[in-house]
Amino acid sequence: AQSVTQPDIHITVSEGASLELRCNYSYGATPYLFWYVQSPGQGLQLLLKYFSGDTLVQGIKGFEAEFKRSQSSFNLRKPSVHWSDAAEYFCAVGSGTYKYIFGTGTRLKVLA
Amino acid sequence: DTGVSQNPRHKITKRGQNVTFRCDPISEHNRLYWYRQTLGQGPEFLTYFQNEAQLEKSRLLSDRFSAERPKGSFSTLEIQRTEQGDSAMYLCASSRDRGEAFFGQGTRLTVV
Repeated sequence: AQSVTQPDIHITVSEGASLELRCNYSYGATPYLFWYVQSPGQGLQLLLKYFSGDTLVQGIKGFEAEFKRSQSSFNLRKPSVHWSDAAEYFCAVGSGTYKYIFGTGTRLKVLA
Repeated sequence: DTGVSQNPRHKITKRGQNVTFRCDPISEHNRLYWYRQTLGQGPEFLTYFQNEAQLEKSRLLSDRFSAERPKGSFSTLEIQRTEQGDSAMYLCASSRDRGEAFFGQGTRLTVV
């Protein structure tokens, strides 16, 4: 079955600390992978995407993610977190980009 | 603003009433998607349009739900005889062929 797992429901980090959000997927075809961020009551904003090529992808707001096919993972990282990064983060997988399967999200809290 | 626009942003309705939501996609995008997001969950795919053709509907889309995209531009999602279980955020997204999806701010439906 196709699925996306985000094992951490909540993560708390101090401002300035590094961040890694985990994402594992199960998908039969070659996956297209995405990370989206959602602030409370808002829609989703695309942080970055992986379609093919270099497995380390750079996104907006200083985020990056690495696709590891052998581990079926697409973890999101940021070297230094800012208070404004507090939000919910969703990993998604698709093929041909027409239908996405989302994880249940990781809520990030940033301590001043 | 050339992003995806959804109206209304919030809707409170009594159980049994009909509601209709509108989505205006990014103008050059030929694909349009509807997703539903309940509290604490990631978005779940409802349906997808390629221009004016509705190409796939999720099992989540019961007979009370209908979506249209009459001229391949804006789309409407109608829910008839609303139930409390329909309370959720309804998200619209659009994309080019083989491009990432851009999401609107969503319509939050509360059925009382």
